[in-house]
Amino acid sequence: KAGVTQTPRYLIKTRGQQVTLSCSPISGHRSVSWYQQTPGQGLQFLFEYFSETQRNKGNFPGRFSGRQFSNSRSEMNVSTLELGDSALYLCASTETGTGRQYFGPGTRLTVT
Amino acid sequence: TQLLEQSPQFLSIQEGENLTVYCNSSSVFSSLQWYRQEPGEGPVLLVTVVTGGEVKKLKRLTFQFGDARKDSSLHITAAQTGDTGLYLCAGATSGTYKYIFGTGTRLKVLA
Repeated sequence: KAGVTQTPRYLIKTRGQQVTLSCSPISGHRSVSWYQQTPGQGLQFLFEYFSETQRNKGNFPGRFSGRQFSNSRSEMNVSTLELGDSALYLCASTETGTGRQYFGPGTRLTVT
Repeated sequence: TQLLEQSPQFLSIQEGENLTVYCNSSSVFSSLQWYRQEPGEGPVLLVTVVTGGEVKKLKRLTFQFGDARKDSSLHITAAQTGDTGLYLCAGATSGTYKYIFGTGTRLKVLA
């Protein structure tokens, strides 16, 4: 089985711009979660989607949003980028029933 | 707010030594996971513990879930340079896939 894929792997944006990141989960997994990882705050939960519905949400401002498509692929969007949004954004595909999470390699976003 | 504190934050040891990493919270979790993350990659799941008092062994790694399901430990016996990485614990509350991650322990094993 192919693993979790995330695109792009690296991205450089300027303040005020918006960005869309993509995640393709493992085939058959219907839950996709997004996390932000920074040296100062560690790994923080953004949101989780299951069957195209947002099921759980972390404590991030409304500039961070996401969606999931019928094929379980997910996108997250960050609008009006700030310098503090520079981070590694990780997507995790969760195996139904076991709760086992499989992470993708992440997208490294740099905001200048 | 649920928090998971890990200690120590950094650990540098010689190959062959033993070590223990701790993960503590004031919250109760229905399950707790341990991950290892290497530079440029996403975290990789090592183990999931779900029962209070549970002990799981994975080769030289021993994981324990506290009786009250609020804390956990990871013990590595005879560390090897390949054990180097960032170790993360993550807890989930019952019925959700919303995982709270610990602050992380960065381990470096020297040859």
